[in-house]
Amino acid sequence: AQSVSQHNHHVILSEAASLELGCNYSYGGTVNLFWYVQYPGQHLQLLLKYFSGDPLVKGIKGFEAEFIKSKFSFNLRKPSVQWSDTAEYFCAVLLGSSNTGKLIFGQGTTLQVKP
Amino acid sequence: DGGITQSPKYLFRKEGQNVTLSCEQNLNHDAMYWYRQDPGQGLRLIYYSQIVNDFQKGDIAEGYSVSREKKESFPLTVTSAQKNPTAFYLCASSKGMVYGYTFGSGTRLTVV
Repeated sequence: AQSVSQHNHHVILSEAASLELGCNYSYGGTVNLFWYVQYPGQHLQLLLKYFSGDPLVKGIKGFEAEFIKSKFSFNLRKPSVQWSDTAEYFCAVLLGSSNTGKLIFGQGTTLQVKP
Repeated sequence: DGGITQSPKYLFRKEGQNVTLSCEQNLNHDAMYWYRQDPGQGLRLIYYSQIVNDFQKGDIAEGYSVSREKKESFPLTVTSAQKNPTAFYLCASSKGMVYGYTFGSGTRLTVV
């Protein structure tokens, strides 16, 4: 069955540290990939997405992710985190066509940034 | 402002009772989705609907039912057959996956 794995369940960093959150998927076909973020008390919101083209995708708030097809990975990165980045992060894979598909989410990674 | 409204925010029910969670959107999106969020398990798809009067089971549909009589509304009923209904339920909609999902604020259901 198709699945998405986020290996880091809970990450604690100090401000200005670099961040990399892992995401791997198991699906042999064409994939479209997303990262969502859930700040405390807020809705889930889209951070960035990959559909095609440049495998290095830039999102909001200085985040970026790199799609590496050979490794079935879509890791999220940020060079220098801030306290306001404290949130839960979800990787997701789109199964099906871009019009009628559904998202499969990973387990989520809780990021805690210490001031 | 356009968005998705889930109500109520908190819901308490006795074991054995059915309960319906509301999800309304004014975004004119065709597709709507219900997910269940549990700690350490991420979001799991319960049901989804691509168009009015049509819906499909997701990965964990057992013990749940939905209807899609109007484009704007996609209510989820948690039935007494759901073995572990206490969870956070999220509704989402989309106008096309290239845009991703728009999420509601969720309903936390506690069954006692």
